[in-house]
Amino acid sequence: DTEVTQTPKHLVMGMTNKKSLKCEQHMGHRAMYWYKQKAKKPPELMFVYSYEKLSINESVPSRFSPECPNSSLLNLHLHALQPEDSALYLCASSQGVIGTEAFFGQGTRLTVV
Amino acid sequence: EDQVTQSPEALRLQEGESSSLNCSYTVSGLRGLFWYRQDPGKGPEFLFTLYSAGEEKEKERLKATLTKKESFLHITAPKPEDSATYLCAVGGYSTLTFGKGTMLLVSP
Repeated sequence: DTEVTQTPKHLVMGMTNKKSLKCEQHMGHRAMYWYKQKAKKPPELMFVYSYEKLSINESVPSRFSPECPNSSLLNLHLHALQPEDSALYLCASSQGVIGTEAFFGQGTRLTVV
Repeated sequence: EDQVTQSPEALRLQEGESSSLNCSYTVSGLRGLFWYRQDPGKGPEFLFTLYSAGEEKEKERLKATLTKKESFLHITAPKPEDSATYLCAVGGYSTLTFGKGTMLLVSP
């Protein structure tokens, strides 16, 4: 089983809303990631958690707040987003550190209005 | 800095017309080269990992190969359902660098 599950699949939120994206994996992977992907562009790394600790933050604005409650779960809390934050948000996990084989979820299509 | 260049950007094939996609890379310390398939609006689907020059992997109509400077994804007798964007990514030490992808369209 190489499944990474993301919820919700679609999300529309206003610029003053607070929402959360959720990600779950049961492969025993020790690293989990958040990526942002715009249309016709490759995924862009946002955050990396390794052994439930934040190890990489790619200078992401504070309106995005990651959380790793345990080794299987990863959340991304959203607050005061801008329309330009509209994108496909992808969660991924890997057994090893970044740079090793990673598996992606199906993504959350976020639209900020 | 690690770099990945994929070519062509887009490729249109007739059903049954075999072809190859290219991924050229530079990386300091290769952990692995990864191929993914991505359908519109969906997350990348893992296809292959290649670790060293000379390695080959196959899955149905797809075959991936690796040299020290590039990887090829060969598509044999493609079908319309093979239409997707194919992403190449290179794993280095503490990095994972994606190419911009090749958008493949297979017509019946």
